[in-house]
Amino acid sequence: EVHLLESGGGLVQPGGSLRLSCAASGFTFSSYAMTWLRQAPGKGLEWVSLISGSADSTYYGDSVRGRFTISRDNSKNTLFLQMNSLRAEDTAVYYCATVEIAAVAFADWGQGTLVTVSS
Amino acid sequence: EIVMTQSPATLSVSPGERATLSCRASQFFSSNLAWYQQKPGQAPRLLIHGASTRATGVPARFSGSGSGTDFTLTISSLQSEDFAVYYCQQYSHWPLTFGQGTKVEIK
Repeated sequence: EVHLLESGGGLVQPGGSLRLSCAASGFTFSSYAMTWLRQAPGKGLEWVSLISGSADSTYYGDSVRGRFTISRDNSKNTLFLQMNSLRAEDTAVYYCATVEIAAVAFADWGQGTLVTVSS
Repeated sequence: EIVMTQSPATLSVSPGERATLSCRASQFFSSNLAWYQQKPGQAPRLLIHGASTRATGVPARFSGSGSGTDFTLTISSLQSEDFAVYYCQQYSHWPLTFGQGTKVEIK
């Protein structure tokens, strides 16, 4: 059974940094692209970033490009999101998810970690 | 960026009735579309990808159709566990984008 567990969320001041982690188990981690998504309180879903299984390709949403960096450690089955220059509008629950093999759709999700950007 | 617009924002349906949810794209693409269900306090669940292919374990009462710019999610006979928010997502072009969601509530 696929299990994804996010960690690293919390309260951070505007302009600050935070690193999220997603520990994966129950599947061959290196064979799957992985992604981060977020959901602001009471709002809809927003795709943030995606990384290929081998980490040779990365993609970002317009609102985070240049501030966030996605990475992975396949030896530790862990996905990361380094978030810099945080803004109030980055406040959200951040989810990691697996990417389907044959479609860029998100099959398995973690339960999310809350990031709050506030002074 | 492809803008995805879902309608209606809220759909009131009685249990056992049929629900039809719409998703329209601002640009033409083929069938690279997914649907998700999200219940309060839970992570989303993938229902459909490829516009019409049910994900593993998804009941047959959920079906997807459409291509180009207009897509539909149909729930043939609503069960109590189907009352939730539904999102469409395109994966034809970067950046990946979601619709704003349709809430299916009990009538």
